[in-house]
Amino acid sequence: DTEVTQTPKHLVMGMTNKKSLKCEQHMGHRAMYWYKQKAKKPPELMFVYSYEKLSINESVPSRFSPECPNSSLLNLHLHALQPEDSALYLCASSQEAGRPETQYFGPGTRLLVL
Amino acid sequence: RKEVEQDPGPFNVPEGATVAFNCTYSNSASQSFFWYRQDCRKEPKLLMSVYSSGNEDGRFTAQLNRASQYISLLIRDSKLSDSATYLCVVNCVTEGGGNKLTFGTGTQLKVEL
Repeated sequence: DTEVTQTPKHLVMGMTNKKSLKCEQHMGHRAMYWYKQKAKKPPELMFVYSYEKLSINESVPSRFSPECPNSSLLNLHLHALQPEDSALYLCASSQEAGRPETQYFGPGTRLLVL
Repeated sequence: RKEVEQDPGPFNVPEGATVAFNCTYSNSASQSFFWYRQDCRKEPKLLMSVYSSGNEDGRFTAQLNRASQYISLLIRDSKLSDSATYLCVVNCVTEGGGNKLTFGTGTQLKVEL
């Protein structure tokens, strides 16, 4: 099973809402990632979790709050977002953080902030 | 200068053509290199890793020149299904010791009948 799943597929939220994006993998991978991708732009790394600990935060605003409850799950909590945060949010996982060649992406959550 | 640079295209080629994509990277400490493929409104998928000795996977050949900080992808006998955006990806170790993938802006390929 080489699958990373993400829910929801689409999300529309207002600037005062609080919502969460969810990501799950059952490949036994110990590194999980959040990326943000704007239209016609490449994915940009936001956060890396390695063995359930946050190892990289690419200076992401605090309105994005990641959480890794266990080795299979990764959440991204959203609060007080801005319209410019509208994007495709991609989750990925890899066997370990030092094994990028084993990285798989989920299908993404397409977020629209109104 | 961008960390990873690619010609955005689009490259419009007829079926059966050979097409080559180039990529340059700025960080000489980069450790590993990849080509990803991304279809419209889909997630990126790993196409192949790139090694200094060059490597081939069917119709796809990847080359790395560390001295010139240059990566290439050659697609032979293009198929309609090869139409996608091809992302050049570079892996670096961060100051904190973690690994970070940096993606190029991608090159769009359209294979036509």
